[in-house]
Amino acid sequence: GAVVSQHPSWVICKSGTSVKIECRSLDFQATTMFWYRQFPKQSLMLMATSNEGSKATYEQGVEKDKFLINHASLTLSTLTVTSAHPEDSSFYICSAPLVNYGYTFGSGTRLTVV
Amino acid sequence: SQQGEEDPQALSIQEGENATMNCSYKTSINNLQWYRQNSGRGLVHLILIRSNEREKHSGRLRVTLDTSKKSSSLLITASRAADTASYFCATDAGGSYIPTFGRGTSLIVHP
Repeated sequence: GAVVSQHPSWVICKSGTSVKIECRSLDFQATTMFWYRQFPKQSLMLMATSNEGSKATYEQGVEKDKFLINHASLTLSTLTVTSAHPEDSSFYICSAPLVNYGYTFGSGTRLTVV
Repeated sequence: SQQGEEDPQALSIQEGENATMNCSYKTSINNLQWYRQNSGRGLVHLILIRSNEREKHSGRLRVTLDTSKKSSSLLITASRAADTASYFCATDAGGSYIPTFGRGTSLIVHP
């Protein structure tokens, strides 16, 4: 089946640094990728929608200059958390829609900013 | 945006018992999916049910969909301790394929 590979699965970084999270569609082309974040014991909240070859669409309240999304190819979308702070510590997960089968999710990235 | 709401928020049962979780949503959907998430881990897809389907089975899982009530249920039969996890429903709506999630049900199965 269609698989989205997400890396890294976990990362610890220092406050003020940037972290890049990658999601690759392995056996299909993903023109669209959804990025979510999840705080402990809470639901997944949509942050943005990335579209190959165009600018990402951000949900209300999500800082586009802080959460940089790039979707340069049909198989790769990246989320870069810039100048990370402890409040950015969260679980980030990507998802790609499939035409006939809903959507498939990456395995998530646990970001801890210290 | 569209969002499912699961209930109960938490469910604690003994091994061997059945677990039922419900999901309600607000507007018409193309399909509804149930996912499982172990603590601190990614999502595992369990089952997808399309808007024109009423019931689906997969192993010990049974999902129903009532579009007139805008609700779905997930039944796990003969639960096991390994079923302990959070369970989420995700829906899309109309022409949009953007999945939105409910708050989830935290299931604890005691051995």
